[in-house]
Amino acid sequence: DTAVSQTPKYLVTQMGNDKSIKCEQNLGHDTMYWYKQDSKKFLKIMFSYNNKELIINETVPNRFSPKSPDKAHLNLHINSLELGDSAVYFCASSQGGHRGEQYFGPGTRLTVT
Amino acid sequence: AQRVTQPEKLLSVFKGAPVELKCNYSYSGSPELFWYVQYSRQRLQLLLRHISRESIKGFTADLNKGETSFHLKKPFAQEEDSAMYYCALAGANNLFFGTGTRLTVIP
Repeated sequence: DTAVSQTPKYLVTQMGNDKSIKCEQNLGHDTMYWYKQDSKKFLKIMFSYNNKELIINETVPNRFSPKSPDKAHLNLHINSLELGDSAVYFCASSQGGHRGEQYFGPGTRLTVT
Repeated sequence: AQRVTQPEKLLSVFKGAPVELKCNYSYSGSPELFWYVQYSRQRLQLLLRHISRESIKGFTADLNKGETSFHLKKPFAQEEDSAMYYCALAGANNLFFGTGTRLTVIP
């Protein structure tokens, strides 16, 4: 059983398009996250949701909008994609907030052409 | 202000040699420190955290509040230790990752 899953694994799209990445966790955790890992492998937290409530919202363009329909899902919607959005996006979850161990998904490699 | 600093982007050591991956932090409260590892083609996973004081895969890390450091150490590096290592700090309201260190263990 996969603990944290993401779809799709790869996403290639053109500038200006709108796309979504889905994340699901079956660990029963109360907190979920989205991270961006750029080409230099820098890892940066984008959003954190605790029990469907936005907790951490780092400085990201408002073209990025997280949506949490329930505790087990946190989707990332990106509008008007730009070249600089190309990266690997990781979903993660933890129990008890961000001081808990993070369980990461396999990542979604987004390429904007 | 950057909260977690990993000064080495790349680190190469020979198999069997000691290895130390540096992590310094700045935080005024009581942080919780972690090391995460990403092996090739695998997802990020927790290696260890300071409150557990465990040794995982031969790695240890001691929180030094005086030097604000949480360096990761292993006395004898193995080829399978080659990976990307991230130091992370959890504060009261936020979570910070360092820029990562790529460790290569040379056979």
